[in-house]
Amino acid sequence: GENVEQHPSTLSVQEGDSAVIKCTYSDSASNYFPWYKQELGKRPQLIIDIRSNVGEKKDQRIAVTLNKTAKHFSLHITETQPEDSAVYFCAARDNFNKFYFGSGTKLNVKP
Amino acid sequence: NAGVTQTPKFRILKIGQSMTLQCAQDMNHNYMYWYRQDPGMGLKLIYYSVGAGITDKGEVPNGYNVSRSTTEDFPLRLELAAPSQTSVYFCASSYSMRQLFSNQPQHFGDGTRLSIL
Repeated sequence: GENVEQHPSTLSVQEGDSAVIKCTYSDSASNYFPWYKQELGKRPQLIIDIRSNVGEKKDQRIAVTLNKTAKHFSLHITETQPEDSAVYFCAARDNFNKFYFGSGTKLNVKP
Repeated sequence: NAGVTQTPKFRILKIGQSMTLQCAQDMNHNYMYWYRQDPGMGLKLIYYSVGAGITDKGEVPNGYNVSRSTTEDFPLRLELAAPSQTSVYFCASSYSMRQLFSNQPQHFGDGTRLSIL
């Protein structure tokens, strides 16, 4: 099955700096890659996603890039704010519509 | 629309007891999923369903059972609760007709926090 690895496990940045979280996947047939933000005690919330036929997607301060050849994708958050502090998960969807999640990155934005 | 509704929100079980975690969605989604999330970890797929009457195992199915008699409901059954099943359980749903190049995300419920003592 698919294997998704996520790095780093924790990330601390100063408010206003950028944050980058990276994920790799193993199944070349995976075709859709969502990113979720999860606050403590809450459900995962979709923040951005990308399909396998797209290399980059941006939504205001958040962007995702995908390198299919290398089988990795990254989340970029610019101008970070304290409210960006949360745990972020990447995921990959395989050909059977099953989603595999990374282990999460705890982002701490220091004011 | 209520989205994905999970009940109960919290439950404490004794070892060996059984229970059913309920999940219902009102978005007419064909796919439904059950995940468990252990502290500080990502989500692991327990079971999923591609439609009424069809279910399949995920990464960690042992100790659990599911059924999908309707499009809306996807209950998860624990038959003999064990301490290793202490976790937060999330149900999710999505819609997929033509999967390739489709970006249909999953919608999650609020979760059920289960402790087994």
